[in-house]
Amino acid sequence: EADIYQTPRYLVIGTGKKITLECSQTMGHDKMYWYQQDPGMELHLIHYSYGVNSTEKGDLSSESTVSRIRTEHFPLTLESARPSHTSQYLCASSELGVGEQYFGPGTRLTVT
Amino acid sequence: AQSVTQPDIHITVSEGASLELRCNYSYGATPYLFWYVQSPGQGLQLLLKYFSGDTLVQGIKGFEAEFKRSQSSFNLRKPSVHWSDAAEYFCAVGSNTGFQKLVFGTGTRLLVSP
Repeated sequence: EADIYQTPRYLVIGTGKKITLECSQTMGHDKMYWYQQDPGMELHLIHYSYGVNSTEKGDLSSESTVSRIRTEHFPLTLESARPSHTSQYLCASSELGVGEQYFGPGTRLTVT
Repeated sequence: AQSVTQPDIHITVSEGASLELRCNYSYGATPYLFWYVQSPGQGLQLLLKYFSGDTLVQGIKGFEAEFKRSQSSFNLRKPSVHWSDAAEYFCAVGSNTGFQKLVFGTGTRLLVSP
């Protein structure tokens, strides 16, 4: 079944740790996205990708980095987590052109 | 640049009553419009979309939305709300140039009372 997956779903980690949030999709979509969403707030685009070896920063400045080595995989990394990084991170994918985005279930990150 | 306004932060509706969630957009050309729903702790699920053609679009779970160009609106409606509809609803507008990304509104939280 075509889908988009995110792991872990929940993560509590101490300040200064390096973390990687995983995102994979089985739909063969070229475009992938990372959004940051604080509770009860709108989504802010932090990274996106047109395809393999393509990554761009989004509208909201973020200290995280992303990579796109394979079409189906778009991991997000924080080299040194801080409490200000506490948020929900949503991954999405879509076909080329303007189309609907398909969202993963999200990773809720808490940095203590 | 495109933008979306959802003027209602919270709305409470009695179960069985009708629902209308407001969405106004700003975009210089014909917009691509979407409504998504987000249940607590979950990602977003697409309810419906408008690209062109008939201005009244039908979606999943009994939802519909009407595109009104003159009012720059894309309001979401449902004739009879169920308790399971309680969630956060996001309107989004997409551009047909550049990366063609989506811009989301701030969301409307729907509460359903018995």
